[in-house]
Amino acid sequence: EPEVTQTPSHQVTQMGQEVILRCVPISNHLYFYWYRQILGQKVEFLVSFYNNEISEKSEIFDDQFSVERPDGSNFTLKIRSTKLEDSAMYFCASSERLWNQPQHFGDGTRLSIL
Amino acid sequence: QKEVEQNSGPLSVPEGAIASLNCTYSDRVSQSFFWYRQYSGKSPELIMSIYSNGDKEDGRFTAQLNKASQYVSLLIRDSQPSDSATYLCAVASGGGADGLTFGKGTHLIIQP
Repeated sequence: EPEVTQTPSHQVTQMGQEVILRCVPISNHLYFYWYRQILGQKVEFLVSFYNNEISEKSEIFDDQFSVERPDGSNFTLKIRSTKLEDSAMYFCASSERLWNQPQHFGDGTRLSIL
Repeated sequence: QKEVEQNSGPLSVPEGAIASLNCTYSDRVSQSFFWYRQYSGKSPELIMSIYSNGDKEDGRFTAQLNKASQYVSLLIRDSQPSDSATYLCAVASGGGADGLTFGKGTHLIIQP
C-alpha cells in the first residue's frame, strides 16, 4: 500500500539553527499538509499546500515557517530559526484530488531543539 | 475557534466487548469527520471517515454522525488487545485543502 515517507525520523538541532523536514507524499495525491504534535498534546494543523501554493495556514505557521515542493516528489517544511518550543513530532500528510478525501499521515519526524 | 472535544479517558473495556468512543465539535459548517488511531509514539492511522448523518460500518468499526447534535462516535465491536491505543476524532470544514482539527484523543485500554 502506498505511504507517505518522512525523513529524518529524528532531528536534533541547536536553538536558532535552521531545520528542513522532508516528506514524499503518496504519488497520486495532490494535497499536502504539515501537522505538529507536542509531547502529550493534540495534533495541530500547520499548513496545507496545493498546486504549488499554500492553501490554508494556522496561527502557528508564522514567518519562521515555510513550505516548498522543490521537485515532483518532495514536500519540505523549513523552520528558519528554531526555538525550544518547536520541539515536537512533525507529521506530513497527503490526500487525493477528490473533495473530502481522507488525509494519510507519514511516520513523522521527531524534532528536538537543544 | 474550531474545537473538537473528546473524553481523554482512559476508557477500559474487556476483551470481546464493544468500545464506544465519542466526540463533539463546535463548527456547524463541518463537512468531513474522521477517526484515527494513534499508538504511543506513532503517527495517526486512518480508521474511518464519515460525511453524512447516520451509521457507516467497516468490519468491526462503526462510525456514527449526527450533524444536528454536532456529535460523532466510533463503536469497536469484539474489542481486541491490539485495539488498545488513543483514538483521535478529526473534523474538516470541507474542500480539498482543509486542515483537520483534532481532538485530544481518548485513550482506550482493552483488558484481556
